[in-house]
Amino acid sequence: AQRVTQPEKLLSVFKGAPVELKCNYSYSGSPELFWYVQYSRQRLQLLLRHISRESIKGFTADLNKGETSFHLKKPFAQEEDSAMYYCALKSGANNLFFGTGTRLTVIP
Amino acid sequence: GAGVSQSPSNKVTEKGKDVELRCDPISGHTALYWYRQRLGQGLEFLIYFQGNSAPDKSGLPSDRFSAERTGESVSTLTIQRTQQEDSAVYLCASSVRQGRNEQFFGPGTRLTVL
Repeated sequence: AQRVTQPEKLLSVFKGAPVELKCNYSYSGSPELFWYVQYSRQRLQLLLRHISRESIKGFTADLNKGETSFHLKKPFAQEEDSAMYYCALKSGANNLFFGTGTRLTVIP
Repeated sequence: GAGVSQSPSNKVTEKGKDVELRCDPISGHTALYWYRQRLGQGLEFLIYFQGNSAPDKSGLPSDRFSAERTGESVSTLTIQRTQQEDSAVYLCASSVRQGRNEQFFGPGTRLTVL
């Protein structure tokens, strides 16, 4: 069965410090992984997806099939990065399977 | 254009009552999804609609839960004989079509069952 694990419920870093939000997955098929973000009082929205190999707002995430991980990284955290971050796995053809989320706080 | 909208934004009900939650997807989006988020937990998939195809109901937790969608328009999620464990935020999302397209989420309906 599929599973997405985000081991940290809360993560605090200082402004300008590197940040890494961990995500591990379990899936028997070929995984498609995403990071979604929810800023305060805003809707859940897509941040990035692994197939696009893109950098959004300075964030990147590399799919590591050997370690079954899709950690989200940014070299220099900004205050506006404070938000709730969810890792998600596309399960089957249709729906997303979400982790429990990590609340990132960037301390000024 | 407007994003996904959901109503009501908050619903408080008594145990045993039925509730109906509404989702208006983005115009032109053929795929519609319902998720549930309990406090401190991740989002759980409930049901998926794609055009006029039969919905994927694999995530519905019990037969008290049902959802309808007419064509590519509004969807309603109905919970019958609500229980306290149904208290959660119910999120709706839509996408242009299934597969790799981005899901756009609504603001959610916070349901509290007393």
